[in-house]
Amino acid sequence: SAVISQKPSRDICQRGTSLTIQCQVDSQVTMMFWYRQQPGQSLTLIATANQGSEATYESGFVIDKFPISRPNLTFSTLTVSNMSPEDSSIYLCSAPQGENYGYTFGSGTRLTVV
Amino acid sequence: KQEVTQIPAALSVPEGENLVLNCSFTDSAIYNLQWFRQDPGKGLTSLLLIQSSQREQTSGRLNASLDKSSGRSTLYIAASQPGDSATYLCAVNTGGGNKLTFGTGTQLKVEL
Repeated sequence: SAVISQKPSRDICQRGTSLTIQCQVDSQVTMMFWYRQQPGQSLTLIATANQGSEATYESGFVIDKFPISRPNLTFSTLTVSNMSPEDSSIYLCSAPQGENYGYTFGSGTRLTVV
Repeated sequence: KQEVTQIPAALSVPEGENLVLNCSFTDSAIYNLQWFRQDPGKGLTSLLLIQSSQREQTSGRLNASLDKSSGRSTLYIAASQPGDSATYLCAVNTGGGNKLTFGTGTQLKVEL
């Protein structure tokens, strides 16, 4: 099954700054997904990233705040821009393991904004 | 809109006990259902995947069942161990976009 390497694993950032999270998949995947998990909550989908096209954002998430890059079929980045303490969450990337094989997730980035 | 609920929200059991975690979903037109484990502050580890045409899947001490018509899935953990302590999440793939809808999670603590 696919393995996703995600970094950084955690960071503490000052408000007003930006953080870029990277995910590298060990096989080619058409779609990658970015999730946010706020403290004590379940996962919420931020956007779907297809290679060669603009990411598709879910309701409540905008490109200016969460720009996503997908330069090839094995890599994606999510940037959390102009951070505030409300952005403190775990951010996770995910990719399907092929049709009917479910999804695999990165190890998560624990972000704290102070 | 698909909604996924997990009961109980938290569970504490002594080591060795068999236990059942529940997951319910509102839209039965699902593609598959996946159970995950999440350790504190970490990513998700896939445990079991059940396709919509399947009734159950087993892996070691874990058994997951699916009753699509009633919108329910259960995760059975046999002979629980302290290492099983984690949050367990179910996620439903309703298809048409490969999006997962996650449940609220069950936080499990297995005590010595």
